[in-house]
Order: sequence, then C-alpha cells, then structure tokens
Amino acid sequence: DAGVIQSPRHEVTEMGQEVTLRCKPISGHNSLFWYRQTMMRGLELLIYFNNNVPIDDSGMPEDRFSAKMPNASFSTLKIQPSEPRDSAVYFCASSLTSGLTNEQFFGPGTRLTVL
Amino acid sequence: ILNVEQSPQSLHVQEGDSTNFTCSFPSSNFYALHWYRWETAKSPEALFVMTLNGDEKKKGRISATLNTKEGYSYLYIKGSQPEDSATYLCAFDRGSTLGRLYFGRGTQLTVWP
Repeated sequence: DAGVIQSPRHEVTEMGQEVTLRCKPISGHNSLFWYRQTMMRGLELLIYFNNNVPIDDSGMPEDRFSAKMPNASFSTLKIQPSEPRDSAVYFCASSLTSGLTNEQFFGPGTRLTVL
Repeated sequence: ILNVEQSPQSLHVQEGDSTNFTCSFPSSNFYALHWYRWETAKSPEALFVMTLNGDEKKKGRISATLNTKEGYSYLYIKGSQPEDSATYLCAFDRGSTLGRLYFGRGTQLTVWP
C-alpha cells in the first residue's frame, strides 16, 4: 500500500494567490482529516470527513479556507486568497473507523510558504 | 472542549539517559490512547495503541503504561539515543464511529550525543 499521498510536497506562492493542496487517502479508509502544524498550536485539526461527508469544519481558520472530498479517494484543501500567516505544514491523515481503533495514518505533508 | 495535556513540553537529555513523559486525558469515555512518534520534517508515525487499564506496551527501548481510571499514560525511553530525538504525541480516542482523535501538543525530545 502506498500510504496516504499528498501533493505537492512543497508549495511557494505569493500573497493573494489561490493554493490547492491534494490528498489521496489509503484505499478502503473511510475517514479523512486535514491538519495544520504550527509553532503556536502544534497539530491543529482543520476539518474532517467521514464517508466523503464533511463532519466538523470548526477548525478551519476563516472563510478563505475550504475543503472538498468529491469521492473516497481524493480530497482538496483550498486557500483563496492566501496570506503569509497561512505558511505552515499541512498534513492529511486517513483511518478506517470500523477497525479495532481509530488509528490515523499520516501523509508526508505539504510545506506551504506564502510570500 | 476535550483536553489532552502532555508534559513536559520539551526535554533535553544526554545520550544514555533514561527519560519519561506524561500524557493526561479525560478519564471518562475512554476507548483507546495512541502514541505517535514525529521526527522533524517527517509525518507522525504510530508507536503504540493502548486500550486496557494497566496496559503496558514495549518496542525496543521505548515502553508505555496506561491508567484509564486516573487518566494518564507514561512513555519511557531507556538509554536514550540521538535517533530518539523527535516529538512524541499522544492522542485520546473516544471510540467515535467517525474516527476523530484528540491530540496533545507533544513532548519534544532532544538527545545530545
């Protein structure tokens, strides 16, 4: 299994530009999580989906952030317009909720730099 | 709001020292407690999943204990090595059918040679 796949691995963009981060969960997993790593808050949950349905987006910082999961094998996190304070590492994780526990498997992350 | 606290926030030890740190979580609605190891510039990787009160897990020089009644877990590293340097995260699992975990902020361990 390839594990959770994220792209791009690194993104450098200018303030005001639209940024789209992509995630492919582990095949068969039915929950998908978007996290952001910051110095101030550690690993911060932004939004999560179960069976492609958004469950809780209360962690999304503001309306500039949006996420979709059009099917079981793909999710996007979009920032429009981007700002320098959005610079962080964004992780996607997936899990199988019918398993013994809710162990989450993390992707390699996307390092976003907004200039 | 569900609080998962980890202490200390950071720890610096010499190679060969043994060390331990704590994860505190609610004692109600407990289903499982996860420990993750997170190396710099990498993604968190699962170390242990613990489900039973009194549970003890071991992987090499790293071990963990669990007390669900008082709501804490200890992670121990015996004879720390520089390659143990990482952030150690714990996550509280309420057994949600939706999969949500509640992560602590981690303990950042640095082992000096």
